[in-house]
Amino acid sequence: AQSVTQLGSHVSVSEGALVLLRCNYSSSVPPYLFWYVQYPNQGLQLLLKYTTGATLVKGINGFEAEFKKSETSFHLTKPSAHMSDAAEYFCAVGALGNKLTFGGGTRVLVKP
Amino acid sequence: GAVVSQHPSRVICKSGTSVKIECRSLDFQATTMFWYRQFPKQSLMLMATSNEGSKATYEQGVEKDKFLINHASLTLSTLTVTSAHPEDSSFYICSARDALAGGYNEQFFGPGTRLTVL
Repeated sequence: AQSVTQLGSHVSVSEGALVLLRCNYSSSVPPYLFWYVQYPNQGLQLLLKYTTGATLVKGINGFEAEFKKSETSFHLTKPSAHMSDAAEYFCAVGALGNKLTFGGGTRVLVKP
Repeated sequence: GAVVSQHPSRVICKSGTSVKIECRSLDFQATTMFWYRQFPKQSLMLMATSNEGSKATYEQGVEKDKFLINHASLTLSTLTVTSAHPEDSSFYICSARDALAGGYNEQFFGPGTRLTVL
């Protein structure tokens, strides 16, 4: 079985400040890891993914995440928050049959 | 590319009626589509995996007779909520996997359908 834990259901950052969203996973097999963003009343958009290879993954909109096997983590960061980053963010782990297991989500509020 | 659409985007129905939600992959073929349910301010819960030309695989606790899934073509899957009740009110999201992509590849998500049952 696989599981994902996102620490902090809400994160508030000032515009221009670092965004750090935490994700820890549990997987019995080498994981495939994803970060998605969801704006209100919309579907999910892929920010970035880790499958194999380089552990530091760069995504869209200036986001990046680092896969740390020893810590079973895949934290998402962005050096400088923008107002448009206000959204819900989901970490997910891939499983056999291409199923995804999602974390509980982290809502990001960006203060001007 | 890799666009998934859902129709309708929003639907309101009376208790006891059935509602059909369509999920289409617009520019790729999808042998596998997934249906998720999302309650307000909560995460996505996988309901079922829809495979083209075969029966859907439902997650534990999901009533297959209530949530009928049909995946009749490589670009279309439908979810029918039968005899809907207020507790079925939710945001339903589908995703599709590109049939031609090898290995583990991303799922492309539709924009979601907001179902409200009165």
